[in-house]
Amino acid sequence: AQKVTQAQTEISVVEKEDVTLDCVYETRDTTYYLFWYKQPPSGELVFLIRRNSFDEQNEISGRYSWNFQKSTSSFNFTITASQVVDSAVYFCALSGKSGGSYIPTFGRGTSLIVHP
Amino acid sequence: NAGVMQNPRHLVRRRGQEARLRCSPMKGHSHVYWYRQLPEEGLKFMVYLQKENIIDESGMPKERFSAEFPKEGPSILRIQQVVRGDSAAYFCASSRDNEQFFGPGTRLTVL
Repeated sequence: AQKVTQAQTEISVVEKEDVTLDCVYETRDTTYYLFWYKQPPSGELVFLIRRNSFDEQNEISGRYSWNFQKSTSSFNFTITASQVVDSAVYFCALSGKSGGSYIPTFGRGTSLIVHP
Repeated sequence: NAGVMQNPRHLVRRRGQEARLRCSPMKGHSHVYWYRQLPEEGLKFMVYLQKENIIDESGMPKERFSAEFPKEGPSILRIQQVVRGDSAAYFCASSRDNEQFFGPGTRLTVL
């Protein structure tokens, strides 16, 4: 069985602060994928990143960075110099080939509020 | 290349009515997934379909819910005799391999 835990229900920061959103996962699969999605107040799901289990290199994309550590089963997401537009709910997801198909399991999400 | 399309975006039904939610996958995608998001919760998998086949429906409620993905046309998620607890956002995703692209969702409100 797969499980994704986002222990932080809500985070509140002031603009320009750095913020890290935690994601811890459980899986028995040796091949799996990890994702982050952003859900702004408008409600759609915006894909941010996908990493496969064989690639532990950290990734940076502008103000966003991701730290994948297999040893601790974590895939944390950091926003540097946060902005008000970053306010959204962020979901971490895990997709492993359990039962033959890659069906993602989502965490409950972390609501990020960035105050001006 | 248009993304995943869902309609309607908002749907209001009274208790006991039927709700039909449509999803058109991205061009070239033959896999469709339906998810439900209850208020302030994450997405819960409902069903995974390929053309004319249900591959995995382990997340579907046993009664009142059904899904199809016909050879031609969109995938349909049907909820019969809706109840207030069915009020949620329903997302569809499509994929060609193991990366899913999500539609904008249909927000169902049951009065």
